[in-house]
Amino acid sequence: GAGVSQSPSNKVTEKGKDVELRCDPISGHTALYWYRQSLGQGLEFLIYFQGNSAPDKSGLPSDRFSAERTGGSVSTLTIQRTQQEDSAVYLCASSFGQGAETQYFGPGTRLLVL
Amino acid sequence: GNSVTQMEGPVTLSEEAFLTINCTYTATGYPSLFWYVQYPGEGLQLLLKATKADDKGSNKGFEATYRKETTSFHLEKGSVQVSDSAVYFCALIGGSNYKLTFGKGTLLTVNP
Repeated sequence: GAGVSQSPSNKVTEKGKDVELRCDPISGHTALYWYRQSLGQGLEFLIYFQGNSAPDKSGLPSDRFSAERTGGSVSTLTIQRTQQEDSAVYLCASSFGQGAETQYFGPGTRLLVL
Repeated sequence: GNSVTQMEGPVTLSEEAFLTINCTYTATGYPSLFWYVQYPGEGLQLLLKATKADDKGSNKGFEATYRKETTSFHLEKGSVQVSDSAVYFCALIGGSNYKLTFGKGTLLTVNP
């Protein structure tokens, strides 16, 4: 079946603009995760959804970052007033449950803030 | 908190050579351990996992054994191929948690 998809695949924006990144998880997966991959910090956890609620937002780097999930499916990560340090690859993953369940990753959105 | 330390790369090998990538971890409770692989231009894929001590995960000729006494999960392959060239990430999910904590990744290049 279809894997995790993300859009756009690449996004170039100017400093100070807002961006929205979209994730479509695997159908039937109740858990959804956002991670960020950058040269300096490696792979970092951002936020976790179980259904539509986000019990753990601890990885969001600042209040400029927010995310929502609707219908237990699609999720959107929004970055307001982007800064150059936000440049990274944003990865979405989903899993059937939590714990040791395998997380399946999407191809990522490469964000460049000029 | 949880952390994963894996050997610094890059690692360059000739085809059919033996591969070891070391990984050690710090975690509370009893973590589950993973190796993920990122091939050039592709997304992260699970390579193998182990959920309890002494378990061995294996896939595509790769193996790793969960060693609680040494807090290690070293990745091995007896004979690498050019197609194994990729970045390899060791990771864990600690205790009753759900977030993956990753090592910094090891770039492997296999030459023909």
